[in-house]
Amino acid sequence: DTQMTQSPSTLSASVGNRVTVTCRASQSVSTRLAWYQQKPGKAPKLLIYDASRLEGGVPSRFSGSGSGTHFTLTISSLQPDDFATYYCQQYNSYPWTFGQGTKVEVK
Amino acid sequence: EVQLVESGGGLVQPGGSLRLSCTASGISVSRNYMSWVRQAPGKGLEWVSVSYSGGTTHYADSVKGRFTISTHNSKDTLYLQMNSLRPEDTAVYYCARVRGLPGEFDYWGQGTLVIVSS
Repeated sequence: DTQMTQSPSTLSASVGNRVTVTCRASQSVSTRLAWYQQKPGKAPKLLIYDASRLEGGVPSRFSGSGSGTHFTLTISSLQPDDFATYYCQQYNSYPWTFGQGTKVEVK
Repeated sequence: EVQLVESGGGLVQPGGSLRLSCTASGISVSRNYMSWVRQAPGKGLEWVSVSYSGGTTHYADSVKGRFTISTHNSKDTLYLQMNSLRPEDTAVYYCARVRGLPGEFDYWGQGTLVIVSS
């Protein structure tokens, strides 16, 4: 199985900060990686797919990069609506696996 | 507009069975790849199963042999039959559309809560 490890687990930041979340895969997943945002009591929302492609309707302050085993999600200028938990997910091989999540909280 | 609506969750005793349903509107279940993803209380996301058009299915090891994913094409409904349930199966179960093959989850339902407890 491909293990996905996110860091940090919790990130404290302020509005306007640049925020970066890292996701590492235990083996190469090529660019078959997605990022999701989840708020309490809600379903996850797709932000980024194929490692760097922005989902339609998602603000351009979100961006993704990486390939192989190292990926990053960047929020260029954190907004109040961005405080949430973020997950990476690989769909390169079964079982599809998620990272453990990164909670972005108010500093 | 695409909508996925799950139902069928509830409280069940260990060893029991439950069938979850996911009714789709705005997309055809028979022409899409559909999946179940679960989230235990306070925990992260875990992929459970996927069904491809034509009947191909895959399962997480944790549910293989106990859970069965299926579709009713004329009703545009996805199912998850869960047997031999264990306390560790307690979770919110989401259905989601898989875009592409393989692909990301682009549409999600609101989830249905399954509690396995005596």
